[in-house]
Amino acid sequence: DSGVTQTPKHLITATGQRVTLRCSPRSGDLSVYWYQQSLDQGLQFLIQYYNGEERAKGNILERFSAQQFPDLHSELNLSSLELGDSALYFCASSTTGIGEQYFGPGTRLTVT
Amino acid sequence: AQSVTQLDSQVPVFEEAPVELRCNYSSSVSVYLFWYVQYPNQGLQLLLKYLSGSTLVKGINGFEAEFNKSQTSFHLRKPSVHISDTAEYFCAVSSDGSSNTGKLIFGQGTTLQVKP
Repeated sequence: DSGVTQTPKHLITATGQRVTLRCSPRSGDLSVYWYQQSLDQGLQFLIQYYNGEERAKGNILERFSAQQFPDLHSELNLSSLELGDSALYFCASSTTGIGEQYFGPGTRLTVT
Repeated sequence: AQSVTQLDSQVPVFEEAPVELRCNYSSSVSVYLFWYVQYPNQGLQLLLKYLSGSTLVKGINGFEAEFNKSQTSFHLRKPSVHISDTAEYFCAVSSDGSSNTGKLIFGQGTTLQVKP
């Protein structure tokens, strides 16, 4: 158990819809990272938050957004969903900021 | 920009045999290097890391990796694998540049299939 929790575990929704994925980092970790894992793109960094502020942005679509709340949990919002958004979305947390990260179990999103 | 190449998409090996999973990286700045493992239907778990110092690093479950700066490689090895090592292995880098945020750039992954 990494100490990082993600909900829901599975999500099935239709094209055009909007979903919210939730992540609670390990106790004491200020940084939260979001990654997308798909068969064609592999593991891609989406976005990072540090203590409530956006710190780095990767290959994140404009239809996607995230935020980190005062209690340090984070949410990833995906809107106008397309079939190609079907993937595993991982959240990770860290204290060191050098790449040593603790990953949650992921949310599997299926867009039909 | 950084990139990571894992040279083998699948590595089949018999139980108790040695294994090497190959990883090469490209970066214009110094990097930190990592291997993560993903067991079926689970999240990623840190196997080992190279930050600085000795180029041979040891990780969990008997794995080790060697950092070779001249060849820009970070190959993962285990002298004797077990069935339970069957998983997907990811090599990753994060930048040591001034804007380092710790974000990870991953390779495409190598599936290690251990056969009895």
